[in-house]
Amino acid sequence: EIVLTQSPGTLSLSPGERATLSCRASQSVSSSYLAWYQQKAGQAPRLLIYAASSRTTGVPDRFSGSASGSDFTLTISRLEPEDFGVYYCQHYGSSARTFGQGTTVEIK
Amino acid sequence: QVQLQQWGAGLLKPSETLSLTCAVSGGSFSAYNWGWIRQSPRKGLEWIGEINHSGSTITYNPSLKSRVTISVDTSKNQFSLKVDSVTAADTAVYYCASSRGALPYWGQGTLVTVSS
Repeated sequence: EIVLTQSPGTLSLSPGERATLSCRASQSVSSSYLAWYQQKAGQAPRLLIYAASSRTTGVPDRFSGSASGSDFTLTISRLEPEDFGVYYCQHYGSSARTFGQGTTVEIK
Repeated sequence: QVQLQQWGAGLLKPSETLSLTCAVSGGSFSAYNWGWIRQSPRKGLEWIGEINHSGSTITYNPSLKSRVTISVDTSKNQFSLKVDSVTAADTAVYYCASSRGALPYWGQGTLVTVSS
């Protein structure tokens, strides 16, 4: 089973700042099968990015994803108030799909 | 826009069977696979399994496979989840979702509590 480790656990930032979230896979994975989700309290997760760097329809272009080997990054270029929440990465390249433990982006 | 509406019992006793159903509307049922995910403070987000639109291909999380059944009713555009012999460790919010590997559309979630 591929284990996804997200860091940091919590990111405290102010609106307008840049957020950089990391997701590291325990073994080599194809970047074609890595997704990022945003979850707010009491809501289901929302798909932001699939195939490591493709934005879902309607996701603002301040969200971007990138990959380097087994390391994946979600960047929010300038935080808006609605961007605060918990972010998860997910690998879906094998029959056993896994999620990271999440990074909380909170208002500083 | 695909919409998923889920329902099922929210309070179970240990050893009972968890049963949830998810109805799909607003899109092509055959365009996606259909899956179940659960979320608990202890284990975070956990993928349970998914089924293709015809029911001919089903994939389960190996850690749950022995107790889980996912099925589809194509005549109603619905799919279902059963988990046998539940314990307190199965307490979680359960979500249904469309799947292309990534999960673009989700149900509203159902809190399932297992308690004697």
